[in-house]
Amino acid sequence: AQSVTQPDIHITVSEGASLELRCNYSYGATPYLFWYVQSPGQGLQLLLKYFSGDTLVQGIKGFEAEFKRSQSSFNLRKPSVHWSDAAEYFCAVGESSNNFNKFYFGSGTKLNVKP
Amino acid sequence: DAGVTQSPTHLIKTRGQQVTLRCSPKSGHDTVSWYQQALGQGPQFIFQYYEEEERQRGNFPDRFSGHQFPNYSSELNVNALLLGDSALYLCASSLDPATGELFFGEGSRLTVL
Repeated sequence: AQSVTQPDIHITVSEGASLELRCNYSYGATPYLFWYVQSPGQGLQLLLKYFSGDTLVQGIKGFEAEFKRSQSSFNLRKPSVHWSDAAEYFCAVGESSNNFNKFYFGSGTKLNVKP
Repeated sequence: DAGVTQSPTHLIKTRGQQVTLRCSPKSGHDTVSWYQQALGQGPQFIFQYYEEEERQRGNFPDRFSGHQFPNYSSELNVNALLLGDSALYLCASSLDPATGELFFGEGSRLTVL
């Protein structure tokens, strides 16, 4: 069965420090992978996505993620965190066919940023 | 270009009542999905609508039902509410399911007392 694991529930980093959020997935076929961010009271905003091709994908707000098939991972990275990055981050694997698509989400990682 | 809009933003119900949540998809999007996000959890897929029909359904009981209208807007109905139905209900729209990308609304926060 498809599933997504985000091992870190909370992470605190200092502003300007680098960030890596972990994501592991279980999926039988080639996965479609996504990272979304959710700020308090907000819906989910897409940061980046991987469908195929280059395993290092760039997203908005300076985020990037690397797909590693051998490790079933899709970790999110940012070289220098800003205070406005404090939010909850969700990794998702998408199951798609010609006529439907649904996402399986991890339980999220809440990021705190220290001044 | 308006994104996905949902109403109401917050509502409180008591056990056994029924609730209807509404969603207008992003302009031009014809597919609507509903997700339930319990506190401290990631969103869970409820069902997806396309051309006014339910295409796919997640692991939710029949108390959860939906509808899609000709203008692509959608409703989520939950009957016989339980305390465990308290959650943020997210609507997402998409244009091309093959691309897999979903656009989410800000959600409707349901509290069941």
